[in-house]
Amino acid sequence: GAVVSQHPSWVICKSGTSVKIECRSLDFQATTMFWYRQFPKQSLMLMATSNEGSKATYEQGVEKDKFLINHASLTLSTLTVTSAHPEDSSFYICSARGSGETEAFFGQGTRLTVV
Amino acid sequence: GQNIDQPTEMTATEGAIVQINCTYQTSGFNGLFWYQQHAGEAPTFLSYNVLDGLEEKGRFSSFLSRSKGYSYLLLKELQMKDSASYLCAVMDSNYQLIWGAGTKLIIKP
Repeated sequence: GAVVSQHPSWVICKSGTSVKIECRSLDFQATTMFWYRQFPKQSLMLMATSNEGSKATYEQGVEKDKFLINHASLTLSTLTVTSAHPEDSSFYICSARGSGETEAFFGQGTRLTVV
Repeated sequence: GQNIDQPTEMTATEGAIVQINCTYQTSGFNGLFWYQQHAGEAPTFLSYNVLDGLEEKGRFSSFLSRSKGYSYLLLKELQMKDSASYLCAVMDSNYQLIWGAGTKLIIKP
């Protein structure tokens, strides 16, 4: 299957700082990328959907000014958590899907801990 | 509204067979996915069903009935490494995935 690389795998940051998470499709062009957040023992929660070259569509309740998503190329999307707080600590996962495809491939996930 | 239901937790014995059910109500249907997720890791793809019937892939099989809004994942010859959460997800008419809460499968020796 296709490969999606997410970086970093884990990060610890201080409260008030910003953290950038990268999601790359290594062997296909990802026209659509999805960003999820998963709290312990809970299912995936879709945060936003981004299509290459256009603004991301955020799910209800997700602050777009806090979770900045950039999908500037067909192989890279970034999620920046701005002014992070301890309650933002979570497992963030991206998935990427090619044009006309039904299956989306997941990155490895990023464990964010805000202290 | 859109809804995916699956049991929260199941327990089975090593070497046995277990069936994890998933029922759904969504706006449109463009296929149903099953994913396996080990703790602390991202989900990994197991199966995709878009037509009624059974899809077999090694020890894992997935069944779909669109008229009943129902699917199941069947795991045979259970191994300890199969202990994980199993997520059911339906792709709706907008090609967005609607996720179930996941079923935590515990395998006992």
